[in-house]
Amino acid sequence: KQEVTQIPAALSVPEGENLVLNCSFTDSAIYNLQWFRQDPGKGLTSLLLIQSSQREQTSGRLNASLDKSSGRSTLYIAASQPGDSATYLCAVPLQGGSEKLVFGKGTKLTVNP
Amino acid sequence: AAGVIQSPRHLIKEKRETATLKCYPIPRHDTVYWYQQGPGQDPQFLISFYEKMQSDKGSIPDRFSAQQFSDYHSELNMSSLELGDSALYFCASSLNLFYEQYFGPGTRLTVT
Repeated sequence: KQEVTQIPAALSVPEGENLVLNCSFTDSAIYNLQWFRQDPGKGLTSLLLIQSSQREQTSGRLNASLDKSSGRSTLYIAASQPGDSATYLCAVPLQGGSEKLVFGKGTKLTVNP
Repeated sequence: AAGVIQSPRHLIKEKRETATLKCYPIPRHDTVYWYQQGPGQDPQFLISFYEKMQSDKGSIPDRFSAQQFSDYHSELNMSSLELGDSALYFCASSLNLFYEQYFGPGTRLTVT
């Protein structure tokens, strides 16, 4: 059974700081991993998808890395801004060949002006 | 770019009533997924469809049923609603199985 853990559960940083969010998963037989952003009471916005054959993926100030063998992924946010405040969720497929996603509990990020 | 459309965005029902949630995937996407997110919880997979056939099933109650139509839109039918069904219901779509999933804005269902 795939289990996803995100650390820390909450993070508060001053504006401009670089930060790292962590995600770990128990079943390394995945074909991709997705990072999402969710604003309170809103939908999920896909930020980055890393295929199992990739080690990292970049989009603007975001960089996600994947170490499949150790069951870990990190989301690096550079030069954080107040608009980055949201909950960040990582998700992986339930089993190696399944398309349904198992989500972590998320990291609630607050960037203070 | 077109996104996943869900309707209604908000729905209030009483216990034991029936609700129907609709999902319109991104054009050319043939796979649809339904997730339920309770208050303070992470999204939980309910069911998915690929090319109008059910492809996978999660923790979906027997009171719920879903289908994907010929135009690829999907509907989630929920009967005998219970207070515990109050949640955000997300639909996601992807270009094919195992591709990146794009989520809609969700339908907030409140059961009173």
